Amino acid sequence: GESVGLHLPTLSVQEGDNSIINCAYSNSASDYFIWYKQESGKGPQFIIDIRSNMDKRQGQRVTVLLNKTVKHLSLQIAATQPGDSAVYFCAENTQDSGTYKYIFGTGTRLKVLA
Amino acid sequence: DTAVSQTPKYLVTQMGNDKSIKCEQNLGHDTMYWYKQDSKKFLKIMFSYNNKELIINETVPNRFSPKSPDKAHLNLHINSLELGDSAVYFCASSRTTREKLFFGSGTQLSVL
Repeated sequence: GESVGLHLPTLSVQEGDNSIINCAYSNSASDYFIWYKQESGKGPQFIIDIRSNMDKRQGQRVTVLLNKTVKHLSLQIAATQPGDSAVYFCAENTQDSGTYKYIFGTGTRLKVLA
Repeated sequence: DTAVSQTPKYLVTQMGNDKSIKCEQNLGHDTMYWYKQDSKKFLKIMFSYNNKELIINETVPNRFSPKSPDKAHLNLHINSLELGDSAVYFCASSRTTREKLFFGSGTQLSVL
C-alpha cells in the first residue's frame, strides 16, 4: 500500500555530526530508489539513487543503504552542515497496472544545530 | 535556464473559481507528472503523461483536468476550486518512467 503522512518526523543533529535518515518502503518488487532533498519554498532535488542490485552507494558526503529483506532504506550524511537543513524524502519506483510510478515516503525534517 | 518551470508560483483564489497552472520542461524528457504536496509535506502523484498520453490518473476528482499539448508541456486546470484543494502543486519530468524525477519549484495554491 502507499505511505500516508501522519506527521513529519524531525531529526536534530549538531553541526559536524553524522546524520542518518531512515525510510521504510512499501513494495518488495520495487527495484529503484531515490533520496530527495526539499528546502523551504523549493521543489525536491535529487541527492542520490540506488538500484536493487546494490546494497550501498556513496556520493559526496552522502551514502545510501538498501536492505531489501526488511524493505528499508537509509541516507547517511557525513559531517552535517547548516545547508543540509531541509526535508528529506525517499521514493520508490514501483510498478502499478502496467506502468511505473514513484511513491514517496512521509519525509523527515533535518535540523542542523550550530 | 530552469529545467522544469511552472507558473504561477503563488495562486490565491476564491472557492468555486477555475484556475490553471502551467508547466514546461526543456530537458527533452518523455514523461511529465503532477504531484500534490499537502500541509504535512506528503507528496502524492496525481497524473503522469508519457509522450502526451495519460498513463497515470490517481483517482483525482474530475474537477482536475491535465492537458499535454506536446511532450514538453503539461498544464493542470482545476474547476470549481474547493478549500481542500489548497496545497503546493509540483510539476516534474523524467526521461522515462524508470528514471529520476526533476521537479519544478512548485505552485502554492490557496483557496479562500
